[in-house]
Amino acid sequence: AQTVTQSQPEMSVQEAETVTLSCTYDTSENNYYLFWYKQPPSRQMILVIRQEAYKQQNATENRFSVNFQKAAKSFSLKISDSQLGDTAMYFCAFMSLNYGGSQGNLIFGKGTKLSVKP
Amino acid sequence: KAGVTQTPRYLIKTRGQQVTLSCSPISGHRSVSWYQQTPGQGLQFLFEYFSETQRNKGNFPGRFSGRQFSNSRSEMNVSTLELGDSALYLCASSLASSGHHSNEQFFGPGTRLTVL
Repeated sequence: AQTVTQSQPEMSVQEAETVTLSCTYDTSENNYYLFWYKQPPSRQMILVIRQEAYKQQNATENRFSVNFQKAAKSFSLKISDSQLGDTAMYFCAFMSLNYGGSQGNLIFGKGTKLSVKP
Repeated sequence: KAGVTQTPRYLIKTRGQQVTLSCSPISGHRSVSWYQQTPGQGLQFLFEYFSETQRNKGNFPGRFSGRQFSNSRSEMNVSTLELGDSALYLCASSLASSGHHSNEQFFGPGTRLTVL
């Protein structure tokens, strides 16, 4: 069974600084996706960034980037130039791909509560 | 496009009752997944429906059930409610066809269920 571990329950960062959130996962599969989701206090879950396991290049989305280390099963999220609106719970998630299609479920870590301070 | 909608947003029930939650996916999305979110257990997968068929199921008791209609709208039902069923229930939809980005799941705002 796959597991996702986020070892930092809470983190804080000053506005405009950079912060890195950690995530490790365990799987015996070779084809999968990894995601970072953001859940602001209003509770709507939003996709921040995705990474296909077969891609060696790390995904980037504006101020958000990942460091994907497949052999180490590590998938950290770096937020550059932190903004007050980045304050939220951040969840790392794993999705297995079977038979060329989606397995349809995400396996989430417990989350990291990020506070951006002015 | 309208996002994923869930109704009702809030529910208060008592132990032993049953409850039905509804989820309308993004237009064109054929897959609907349900998750339970609690402070203790975090986010846990309940089940996924695709083309009116349950395609995948998490580790929840049979009191939790669901269905999907021909228009892809989905409902989940919890019977004989227990205090521990108090949670935020999230629904997510995806295209679920072949292709890289079809696996992205778009979440609704959730239904907050309180069992007294």
